[in-house]
Amino acid sequence: SQQGEEDPQALSIQEGENATMNCSYKTSINNLQWYRQNSGRGLVHLILIRSNEREKHSGRLRVTLDTSKKSSSLLITASRAADTASYFCATDQKTSGSRLTFGEGTQLTVNP
Amino acid sequence: DGGITQSPKYLFRKEGQNVTLSCEQNLNHDAMYWYRQDPGQGLRLIYYSQIVNDFQKGDIAEGYSVSREKKESFPLTVTSAQKNPTAFYLCASRQDRRNTEAFFGQGTRLTVV
Repeated sequence: SQQGEEDPQALSIQEGENATMNCSYKTSINNLQWYRQNSGRGLVHLILIRSNEREKHSGRLRVTLDTSKKSSSLLITASRAADTASYFCATDQKTSGSRLTFGEGTQLTVNP
Repeated sequence: DGGITQSPKYLFRKEGQNVTLSCEQNLNHDAMYWYRQDPGQGLRLIYYSQIVNDFQKGDIAEGYSVSREKKESFPLTVTSAQKNPTAFYLCASRQDRRNTEAFFGQGTRLTVV
């Protein structure tokens, strides 16, 4: 079963705008991670937030985690056409050893 | 260069055949994973391994088999029992400890002909 569920499924914005994607999960986690996938390629890790952290920044990325609501959000500020990709959240569950479970992803399109 | 390599990039299988997808890493990672991705969908976990000679089923293990005889290698066999094997297969690895990121290969696209 999928642990993470992202919304929206697809998001289309103009260059320069901010993009926000959300992820919800079901069980207790050690951490939550966000990955990016360009079409037909492997995934690239963006950012990891631990269960005891509430917010984390990396360049134009900002991730929040609310463990009481079992949800996370990824904000990309000042988006660029090159940010066009699919974005996935992944959860590292407390009771599942090394298991890493991904959600369905959000397809982001940034129009020039 | 350190990394994770999947081969081949494209693979064609006739119905009823078994095929094996290769995944090799030189990152000295303990944990390795196989995921399946269908068009426009997320990643579904097939199998994962935390250590040599040990592996666990994921959410969609039926019709697949794996081995982990060496730390750097985690091949996936798609058997004839897998009725709908056409998909994009992704291999990943990471250190087997808390709060580590996964590194992915570039994927193998398998098509049944």
